[in-house]
Amino acid sequence: DAGITQSPRHKVTETGTPVTLRCHQTENHRYMYWYRQDPGHGLRLIHYSYGVKDTDKGEVSDGYSVSRSKTEDFLLTLESATSSQTSVYFCAISGSAGVDPLAYEQYFGPGTRLTVT
Amino acid sequence: DAKTTQPNSMESNEEEPVHLPCNHSTISGTDYIHWYRQLPSQGPEYVIHGLTSNVNNRMASLAIAEDRKSSTLILHRATLRDAAVYYCILITKETSGSRLTFGEGTQLTVNP
Repeated sequence: DAGITQSPRHKVTETGTPVTLRCHQTENHRYMYWYRQDPGHGLRLIHYSYGVKDTDKGEVSDGYSVSRSKTEDFLLTLESATSSQTSVYFCAISGSAGVDPLAYEQYFGPGTRLTVT
Repeated sequence: DAKTTQPNSMESNEEEPVHLPCNHSTISGTDYIHWYRQLPSQGPEYVIHGLTSNVNNRMASLAIAEDRKSSTLILHRATLRDAAVYYCILITKETSGSRLTFGEGTQLTVNP
């Protein structure tokens, strides 16, 4: 299995509080991604990173910010959590050296279940 | 965005082959076809990908039509563990960072 971990795995927080989720990889992959998954929806991309300090928005980025200060860590922050951000959050990595970027396989972490009350 | 179309659900019996179809009529010449699956309560898992030729790996085979407008994921002998949602995804040059855009996928049920 790809070396990718997420922390915490479960979190319950109150509306209006800040929350930071961490994704850590040991594969030295270039790309990292944050997705959310809600009942009745497939995975939707929140933000992604294509290198240290290089990030870009996905399709559902409102209310979220990210940071990547080193290759192995990608942080997702909810500045002021809302009930609509209750979801399962998945981190993914990709970017095997020497491979056509269009052929990159993505490896997913185990997910973080976040509940905002 | 290049789009794929899959059946919402399919059913198979254990130890029988399963053919999961995907249509991608707007595919362009450099787009890769990727398949992922998601087992209950887990993150998605890479299955296979291809460009033009058929591909085999330890998990599955990918058959790509000659015109590339459709493809089929083949599980040679379904097991109960193969029950999952299967996603067919195109990776295009416009998808910077090789982002995956997940559709609804096909829910595969495997009967014992």
